[in-house]
Amino acid sequence: EVQLVESGGGLVQPGGSLRLSCSASGFTFSRYWMHWVRQAPGKGLVWVSRIDRDGTTTRYADSVKGRFTISRDNAEKTLYLQMNSLRAEDTAVYFCARESDIPSNYYMGVWGKGTTVTVSS
Amino acid sequence: EIVMTQSPATLSVSPGERVTLSCRASQSVSSNLAWYQQNPGQAPRLLIYGASTRASGTPARFSGSGSGTEFTLTISSLQSEDFAVYYCQQYSNWPLTFGGGTTVEIK
Repeated sequence: EVQLVESGGGLVQPGGSLRLSCSASGFTFSRYWMHWVRQAPGKGLVWVSRIDRDGTTTRYADSVKGRFTISRDNAEKTLYLQMNSLRAEDTAVYFCARESDIPSNYYMGVWGKGTTVTVSS
Repeated sequence: EIVMTQSPATLSVSPGERVTLSCRASQSVSSNLAWYQQNPGQAPRLLIYGASTRASGTPARFSGSGSGTEFTLTISSLQSEDFAVYYCQQYSNWPLTFGGGTTVEIK
């Protein structure tokens, strides 16, 4: 069964850091581009970041650029999101998602259940 | 950034009814448009990609159409499990952007 399981969320103070993980199973992780998407409480979906198959090319939303870093370990089949200088507006459920296997088709065909990040003092 | 606008924000419908959801892009995205369904407390689920291609497992009652800036998602006969929030997403330009969502609720 294809599965993505996020972990690492929690309560953190403004200005703090957190690292999210997303463990993949049921498919060849190294073959897929991967994304992080977030959803603030009661709000819609917002794309955060994307990483290519070997981890050399990344993209970020302007709202997190310079503060968040996406990375991956293909041997461990794990995607990461290092979040620094966290702000209240980063409070959200963070989903990891697998991109389509069709080149240049950047939609997300598989999603994890998400992990909750709360930034508050 | 391409802004995706969905309308209406909420639809109140009865089971068995036909439903049409709209999604408009602030500039052309060609057919690079996906639709997702999200139930409360759950992850989004891909329904449609390429504006009109059903994803694996998407029931035939769901259909997508449009290109350029105007898109629609139609549910031919609403089932109980279809009451959810629906999002469109463009993948023509970076950053990827989603619409604000349409909630389909029971009338």
